[in-house]
Amino acid sequence: QLQLQGSGPGLVKPSETLSLTCSVSGASISSGPYYWGWIRQPPGKGLEWIGSMYYSGSTSYSPSLKSRVTISADTSKNQFSLKLSSVTAADTAVYYCARITGGSYPGWTDYWGRGTLVTVSS
Amino acid sequence: DIQMTQSPSSLSASVGDRVTITCRASQDISNYLAWFQQKPGKVPKTLIYAASRLQGGVPSKFSGSGSGTDFTLIINSLQPEDFATYYCQQYYIYPLTFGGGTKVDIK
Repeated sequence: QLQLQGSGPGLVKPSETLSLTCSVSGASISSGPYYWGWIRQPPGKGLEWIGSMYYSGSTSYSPSLKSRVTISADTSKNQFSLKLSSVTAADTAVYYCARITGGSYPGWTDYWGRGTLVTVSS
Repeated sequence: DIQMTQSPSSLSASVGDRVTITCRASQDISNYLAWFQQKPGKVPKTLIYAASRLQGGVPSKFSGSGSGTDFTLIINSLQPEDFATYYCQQYYIYPLTFGGGTKVDIK
C-alpha cells in the first residue's frame, strides 16, 4: 500500500526558506510512469498545484512560484523535497505531497500525503 | 494558464438527492480532468480521472462525464458522508489548475 508522509517545520519566519520532505513507502520514486509533487491549500481556500517531479528527475513548476521553488529527490531514502524561498504570510497553507500518475501528459493525483500545515509568521 | 470554473460554488441538498456539479475549462482539455472530494480538515480524495474513470475503491454512485471544455460530476443518492467540497482539476498541460470548488452541504 502506497503511503506518503510529509514532514517539516510548522512555523517559518518571513523571508526564510520553507523546507518540507515527503517520505514514500510502498513504491519507489525512481519508478515510472509517476510524478511526485506538491499541492498546497491556504486556510479556507482552494487547492493550488506547486510543482511536480517526474521519476526521471525532470521538474515542472507553477509559473507563479517558479522563481522560488525547488523540488528534488533523494532516491537513497525514497524521499522527495520541497523548498520555497523568500516566504511571506501568503505562503501559509497546508502542504500536501502527492503521487501523480502520468506519462506523456502531466497526470492526475492518485495518492495524497496527510498534509503539513506551515505558518509563516515572525 | 487554463482556467477551471466550477458551478455552483455551493449547493444545499438532502439525503437521497441526485447532485450535479459542472466544471468548465477555458480551453479544450480533451478528457484530462480529475475530480476530488475533500471533507473539512481532511486530505482530498481522488474520485475520478480521465473525466469518467472511477479511482479504485470509489463507489459507483459517483460518475463523471464530458470532454473538451465541459464536464460534469454526478453524485447519486446523496448520503451524509458525501457532504463535502468537490474540486475539478485539469491535467492536460502545465500548470495544473483546479476549479474553485463546490461545497455540498445539508439542506
